[in-house]
Amino acid sequence: EIVLTQSPDFQSVTPKERVTITCRASQSIGSNLHWYQQKGDQSPKLLITYASQSFSGVPSRFSGSGSGTDFTLTINSLEAEDAATYYCHQSLSYPFTFGPGTKVAIK
Amino acid sequence: QVQLVESGGGVVQPGRSLSLSCAASGFSFRNYAMHWVRQAPGKGLEWVAVIWHDGSNVKYADSVKGRFTISRDRSKNTLNLQMNSLRVEDTAIYFCARDARAAAGTYLDNWGQGTLVTVSS
Repeated sequence: EIVLTQSPDFQSVTPKERVTITCRASQSIGSNLHWYQQKGDQSPKLLITYASQSFSGVPSRFSGSGSGTDFTLTINSLEAEDAATYYCHQSLSYPFTFGPGTKVAIK
Repeated sequence: QVQLVESGGGVVQPGRSLSLSCAASGFSFRNYAMHWVRQAPGKGLEWVAVIWHDGSNVKYADSVKGRFTISRDRSKNTLNLQMNSLRVEDTAIYFCARDARAAAGTYLDNWGQGTLVTVSS
């Protein structure tokens, strides 16, 4: 099973600041890494596919990078509506796995 | 637009069974693999199972293998999850999610709102 770790666990950020979340895989997964946003009691929403491709309708302030074992989700100029938990997910092999999540709060 | 609506959740005693359904609409259901993903209260996401677009292949998380069965009814555009021998640790919100592909699996591009399963005596 491929284990995903995320850092930090929690981040409190001022609006307009840049947020960087990292996801590390226990083995190389190429670019088979995707990012989701989950707000409060809502279902997760897809943000980034294959490490760096923005999903349709996602604001341009969200971007992703990385390959192999190390990946980054960046939120440029954070907005209040971005308060959420962010998860990475690998689809290289089954069982699919998710990172433990990074909670982003607004100061 | 794509809509996924889960149903069937509830409170059940340990060792009993429960069946979940996910009604799909707004897309060609037969062309997409489908997943179940769960989230225990206050916890992260855990992948549960996947079924290929044509039902030809299924895969499960080790934590549910042998107890849960994923299936799909192409005539009714419905995804199902039969859960047997339920355990307290199966308590979670269960989401159905659409895969972006027909088979093998990739990212999950649409999710339902989830249905809560509580296993408790």
